[in-house]
Amino acid sequence: QVQLQESGPGLVKPSETLSLTCTVSGDSISNYFCSWIRQSPGKGLEWIAYISYNGYSNHNPSLKSRVTVSVDTSKNQFSLRLTSVTAADSAVYYCARNLVLTPALSSFDVWGQGTMVTVSS
Amino acid sequence: SYVLIQPPSVSVAPGQTARITCGGDNIGSKSVHWYQQKPGLAPILVVYDDSARPSGIPERFSGSNSGDAATLTISRVEAGDEADYYCQVWDSNSDLYVFGAGTKVTVL
Repeated sequence: QVQLQESGPGLVKPSETLSLTCTVSGDSISNYFCSWIRQSPGKGLEWIAYISYNGYSNHNPSLKSRVTVSVDTSKNQFSLRLTSVTAADSAVYYCARNLVLTPALSSFDVWGQGTMVTVSS
Repeated sequence: SYVLIQPPSVSVAPGQTARITCGGDNIGSKSVHWYQQKPGLAPILVVYDDSARPSGIPERFSGSNSGDAATLTISRVEAGDEADYYCQVWDSNSDLYVFGAGTKVTVL
């Protein structure tokens, strides 16, 4: 079955860039969208961005221009970059598959296990 | 942006029914999805499109959506249902996915 796995540094310094990769196994990513979602310690879920297999993307306006998402179909991977991080960006970051191709109707049916990223000097 | 209101906690005895509400302005016009999250684990989709169940989710989990409230109902509650539950919609005005703050279900 489809599995998603996040990877990347667990510690990022303030003002630097957080970079994460989501590797998809068990299916080609040329079939769906993928979203990045984060959860600060003890808090709720916050959607960050989504990207499709062909590069169509959208991001949470609250993160303004700090977010970039990309896709590498040859590696079956999605990526997230978040610039100018602060302690407020410390969270567990998840990648998740959008169930359907229409954002307005989509839930997230497969999730990675999540990766904790701490922003600290 | 669109706000989803969930009760912080719900307590229920084993074998009874738990109902978790998710309030939002005219939420009945949106597709509502529900997730279960246990400590240290990723969320799991338990209901999508208001009332559909993914493969592998017990029939004890059901959903409804009308007016200003959506409801996740867990029938014949088991100890293993103890978790945080989140509702989620798409806010078309702001072009983003919105989650409720979550409801902690405690099985007494």
